[in-house]
Amino acid sequence: KAGVTQTPRYLIKTRGQQVTLSCSPISGHRSVSWYQQTPGQGLQFLFEYFSETQRNKGNFPGRFSGRQFSNSRSEMNVSTLELGDSALYLCASSWGRGGPDTDTQYFGPGTRLTVL
Amino acid sequence: QKEVEQNSGPLSVPEGAIASLNCTYSDRGSQSFFWYRQYSGKSPELIMFIYSNGDKEDGRFTAQLNKASQYVSLLIRDSQPSDSATYLCAVYGNQFYFGTGTSLTVIP
Repeated sequence: KAGVTQTPRYLIKTRGQQVTLSCSPISGHRSVSWYQQTPGQGLQFLFEYFSETQRNKGNFPGRFSGRQFSNSRSEMNVSTLELGDSALYLCASSWGRGGPDTDTQYFGPGTRLTVL
Repeated sequence: QKEVEQNSGPLSVPEGAIASLNCTYSDRGSQSFFWYRQYSGKSPELIMFIYSNGDKEDGRFTAQLNKASQYVSLLIRDSQPSDSATYLCAVYGNQFYFGTGTSLTVIP
């Protein structure tokens, strides 16, 4: 079974630009979560989508947004990029139906975003 | 107060020893508890999860959960240099909360 895939793997952008990251979950998984990982802050939760609806949201500004499509693929968008947005962005998928077996998250390889 | 607290380390153990990693959490309503391993430059990979009080063993790994004390631990027996990584504790209630991780180095 194929794992979680993320594209692109690396991105370099300049301040003020916007960026869209993509995540394809494991087949059958309906929940997709996004995280930002930086050396100082660790894994910070951005949001979770389940069946095309945002189910949970972390404490990030409105510049960070996401969506999920009917095939469970998800995109994350960051507008008006700032230097501090440089990070590894990780996507994780799960069945999302409740209980540890179905809530277990499996991570993709991540997208390394550098903002210059 | 952070939802999940881990000692950031670094923790160093000799090869063949037992490595003990600890985690505390603040939400008593948390239901599931996970340990992930993350190698430098890679994404987190699941080691195991636990949801009942007590011990759960999987090969060289044992997870221990004490809900009364809001404490989760991971023991790695017969530690190998390939176990050198950052270990992330995660707790799930209505969403996932991750600790900042404990860096483990196994010295040959």
